[in-house]
Amino acid sequence: SQQGEEDPQALSIQEGENATMNCSYKTSINNLQWYRQNSGRGLVHLILIRSNEREKHSGRLRVTLDTSKKSSSLLITASRAADTASYFCATDAPNFHSGTYKYIFGTGTRLKVLA
Amino acid sequence: DVKVTQSSRYLVKRTGEKVFLECVQDMDHENMFWYRQDPGLGLRLIYFSYDVKMKEKGDIPEGYSVSREKKERFSLILESASTNQTSMYLCASTTGQFSNQPQHFGDGTRLSIL
Repeated sequence: SQQGEEDPQALSIQEGENATMNCSYKTSINNLQWYRQNSGRGLVHLILIRSNEREKHSGRLRVTLDTSKKSSSLLITASRAADTASYFCATDAPNFHSGTYKYIFGTGTRLKVLA
Repeated sequence: DVKVTQSSRYLVKRTGEKVFLECVQDMDHENMFWYRQDPGLGLRLIYFSYDVKMKEKGDIPEGYSVSREKKERFSLILESASTNQTSMYLCASTTGQFSNQPQHFGDGTRLSIL
């Protein structure tokens, strides 16, 4: 399987604490993206980091990328109850035959933030 | 804002039926994708399309086909539904020929095959 894996599978923290989730992938990439999914809804894009970047910030989100280890982490600082959701990483996979690309998603981390 | 609309949130069908799942996007995106999502397995790509009438198999195309007659619409077809196709189906779209664009998702169709 080409799928990435996320760690931990589930995480439960208190409001105000930081949440860190990790993603590992198997092939070389151009970009890595993180998405959030609220229960019963579609995924929402959070942040994209390019393969030549090591760290990126967006509000309370901080993403790091280590291409030598084929891994990325998402840190949510000062978490809120509204951050309760599943979080997925996605890497791109080019199709050289057709010149197109697809995305490979990790298995996700379920985050629960307790008020 | 980009809107990706899936025709049904919940659908119940019987084994052996031909099932159509419809997806429409309103932002003139070239690329559209169908995924299924199962607990513990994340999202798995079924088919994708990068242009009208063009399609490519994803990782799990068996038992499915797709149709893209118009740029804004991408349909997923279960030729003869089986119980192992009970799942959440998600449609997504992106613009451009490079992978540095976010995917925009619909809210999903939860399909039950009885």
